[in-house]
Amino acid sequence: KQEVTQIPAALSVPEGENLVLNCSFTDSAIYNLQWFRQDPGKGLTSLLLIQSSQREQTSGRLNASLDKSSGRSTLYIAASQPGDSATYLCAVRPSNDYKLSFGAGTTVTVRA
Amino acid sequence: EAEVAQSPRYKITEKSQAVAFWCDPISGHATLYWYRQILGQGPELLVQFQDESVVDDSQLPKDRFSAERLKGVDSTLKIQPAELGDSAMYLCASSKGLAGADTQYFGPGTRLTVL
Repeated sequence: KQEVTQIPAALSVPEGENLVLNCSFTDSAIYNLQWFRQDPGKGLTSLLLIQSSQREQTSGRLNASLDKSSGRSTLYIAASQPGDSATYLCAVRPSNDYKLSFGAGTTVTVRA
Repeated sequence: EAEVAQSPRYKITEKSQAVAFWCDPISGHATLYWYRQILGQGPELLVQFQDESVVDDSQLPKDRFSAERLKGVDSTLKIQPAELGDSAMYLCASSKGLAGADTQYFGPGTRLTVL
């Protein structure tokens, strides 16, 4: 069974600092990986989706990398802002299944 | 921009009562998902529909939970009777195509508290 881990569970940074969020997964046979944002008490918003054949995806200040062989993905958020404060979750779709396996998330606080 | 709608947003109920949640996916999305998210954890898939058919309900506690999507559009998730351990956020999501290949769009969720 695919296990997805996100460490740390929480982090706090001053505004303007670059954020680095980590996601690791146990089975490298994946179809794709997604990063989601979740605001308190709200649903999830998809940020980036990386197909297994891709190494990275970029959207504005967000960049996500994927290293299947080592079972890792990293989400970079450049020049963080207080509005980036949220919980960020990664989800993996295995290549032999259609169900997403989610990590527990990293809760980010950007201090003004 | 089209969104997934869910109601109610919050539900407080007593143990052994029945509760029901409603979800209206984005128009034209064939696949609909119900997830349960316990505080501090990632969402866990309960049931997945492709049009009106159940594709996967392996994680649905069928002794107390039921889900339907009769006309392949909106969906209802029911719990009867509710137990204390059912307190969680219930999220509905939809995608245009079959699971995993397309981005899933999530609704705002229903926060259930069982007393």
